[in-house]
Amino acid sequence: DTEVTQTPKHLVMGMTNKKSLKCEQHMGHRAMYWYKQKAKKPPELMFVYSYEKLSINESVPSRFSPECPNSSLLNLHLHALQPEDSALYLCASSPTGMNTEAFFGQGTRLTVV
Amino acid sequence: AQSVSQHNHHVILSEAASLELGCNYSYGGTVNLFWYVQYPGQHLQLLLKYFSGDPLVKGIKGFEAEFIKSKFSFNLRKPSVQWSDTAEYFCAVLMDSNYQLIWGAGTKLIIKP
Repeated sequence: DTEVTQTPKHLVMGMTNKKSLKCEQHMGHRAMYWYKQKAKKPPELMFVYSYEKLSINESVPSRFSPECPNSSLLNLHLHALQPEDSALYLCASSPTGMNTEAFFGQGTRLTVV
Repeated sequence: AQSVSQHNHHVILSEAASLELGCNYSYGGTVNLFWYVQYPGQHLQLLLKYFSGDPLVKGIKGFEAEFIKSKFSFNLRKPSVQWSDTAEYFCAVLMDSNYQLIWGAGTKLIIKP
């Protein structure tokens, strides 16, 4: 199984809503990532979890709250988002270190209205 | 600062033309190199990767890339493009300084039928 599964595929939420994005992998990878991607731009790193601990937070606003309940799951909790947060949110996983490849999920296309 | 440059932001070619997309990085340590493709409305897919060994690597869909260490380059090539190659192409570099993927800005490739 070389898949990273993200749910939901599409999400429309209001600015006062609370929602969560979910990501799951069963490859035994100990590094998991959240990226944000705007149209025609490269992915922007948001968070990195290494061995279930948050190791990198790229100055992401607190309205985005990551959670790593176990080594296979990664969540992104969303609250009070702004329309400019509308984007494709990508989850990825990889083994740690060099000579490793990141596997990307298909993404959640988020629209904030 | 560590960075990845993709020289061409937009490339327009006719079918059967040859393709070369440039990618340069600025880092003197050990790197892993990747090319990803993103078809319109789709998720990121890995085209090819270089970890070590033969600097000419072959990927999916007839793509290849050559790592030239002295030039800090990893250019993507395809001898004869097809209309279905229309997509956004991203170069990414994993550096042993922080084990994080650094992304180029992307090249939008349009193939005219």
